[in-house]
Amino acid sequence: EIVMTQSPATLSVSPGERATLSCRASQSVSSNLAWYQQKPGQAPRLLIYGASTRATGIPARFSGSGSGTEFTLTISSLQSEDFAVYYCQQYNNWLLTFGGGTKVEIK
Amino acid sequence: QVQLQESGPGLVKPSQTLSLTCTVSGGSISSGGYYWSWIRQHPGKGLEWIGYIYYSGSTYYNPSLKSRVTISVDTSKNQFSLKLSSVTAADTAVYYCARTPTVTTRYFDYWGQGTLVTVSS
Repeated sequence: EIVMTQSPATLSVSPGERATLSCRASQSVSSNLAWYQQKPGQAPRLLIYGASTRATGIPARFSGSGSGTEFTLTISSLQSEDFAVYYCQQYNNWLLTFGGGTKVEIK
Repeated sequence: QVQLQESGPGLVKPSQTLSLTCTVSGGSISSGGYYWSWIRQHPGKGLEWIGYIYYSGSTYYNPSLKSRVTISVDTSKNQFSLKLSSVTAADTAVYYCARTPTVTTRYFDYWGQGTLVTVSS
């Protein structure tokens, strides 16, 4: 099983600031990584797949980078609607696994 | 626009079988090469992939649940289903159904709203 570790667990950011979230895989997942956003009481929403490709309708302020074992999700200028929990997920291995999540909260 | 909707009992007794159905609208479950997934989220916790199915009936399960899980598909109703046997309180979770684009691009691009299943006597 590939273990996905996200850091930090909580990130306090002011609106308009940049947020950088990290995701590390216990072994290489190539670029087979997705990011999701989840707000309270809602299902996760796909943001990024292929490590860096934005899903349909996702604003350009969301960007993903990395390959192998180290990945980053960057939100360039946080909007009020961006405060949520973010998960990474690898799909390189047939056993699909998620990270534990990073909560982005208002500073 | 594809939409998915989970349905089923919100309360299941310990040792019984949890049964949920996901109804897909806005597209045929048997076209496009998609896989159809179940994922769960324990209260206040992260996400756990349960398994997925292709319209032909091919299935792939998380080995941690494999002995208790069955996922099936009914193309005539555009639905797929989850059965989880011998449930315990540890199976209390929000259960989501989701679409997986292909067998190699196995992320989840469309999700149902989720349904909370509580295991309790």
